[in-house]
Amino acid sequence: ETGVTQTPRHLVMGMTNKKSLKCEQHLGHNAMYWYKQSAKKPLELMFVYNFKEQTENNSVPSRFSPECPNSSHLFLHLHTLQPEDSALYLCASSPGLFTDTQYFGPGTRLTVL
Amino acid sequence: AQSVAQPEDQVNVAEGNPLTVKCTYSVSGNPYLFWYVQYPNRGLQFLLKYITGDNLVKGSYGFEAEFNKSQTSFHLKKPSALVSDSALYFCAVRPDYGGSQGNLIFGKGTKLSVKP
Repeated sequence: ETGVTQTPRHLVMGMTNKKSLKCEQHLGHNAMYWYKQSAKKPLELMFVYNFKEQTENNSVPSRFSPECPNSSHLFLHLHTLQPEDSALYLCASSPGLFTDTQYFGPGTRLTVL
Repeated sequence: AQSVAQPEDQVNVAEGNPLTVKCTYSVSGNPYLFWYVQYPNRGLQFLLKYITGDNLVKGSYGFEAEFNKSQTSFHLKKPSALVSDSALYFCAVRPDYGGSQGNLIFGKGTKLSVKP
């Protein structure tokens, strides 16, 4: 185990639903990240937080809304998603921003019907 | 544009044989280089990284990688493959922007299949 947990592990939702993904890290890290992993594509960085402050939003549609209440927890709120948003969503953390190895959670497999 | 290439979608190796998973990159400056492995239904696990120093980096599970600056490559190697090495392998690069580091740029991944 990497010390980064994600819940739920699997999620199926309709396009009109609202759901949230949760990530928690037990490593004492200060930076947290959301990535999207689609089949046969490179990992796409979505959001970056450092000391609870969002430092990067990689042109992610507003139907994805991140929240970082403290350095240990990261959420991704989902609403009115599209079928093409179906993917594996990975959370990662690192001791500092950009300069350290990132540690990944197991991911949430999201299916949008 | 900054990019990472893993030219092989899949690599097939017989157990006990050496394996190589290729990675080349096109980024600015002196980048940090990483290899991650992803087993089915799991997140990415860190294998090894190169920052500076010896071009041959040793990592977890007997893996190593060789940094070649002139060829801008960072190929992953293992002298003797195990069936349990079968997984998806990602190369990642962190560009150097004149002393500050950027985000990780990942390759598309290479599926390694080791047969008994």
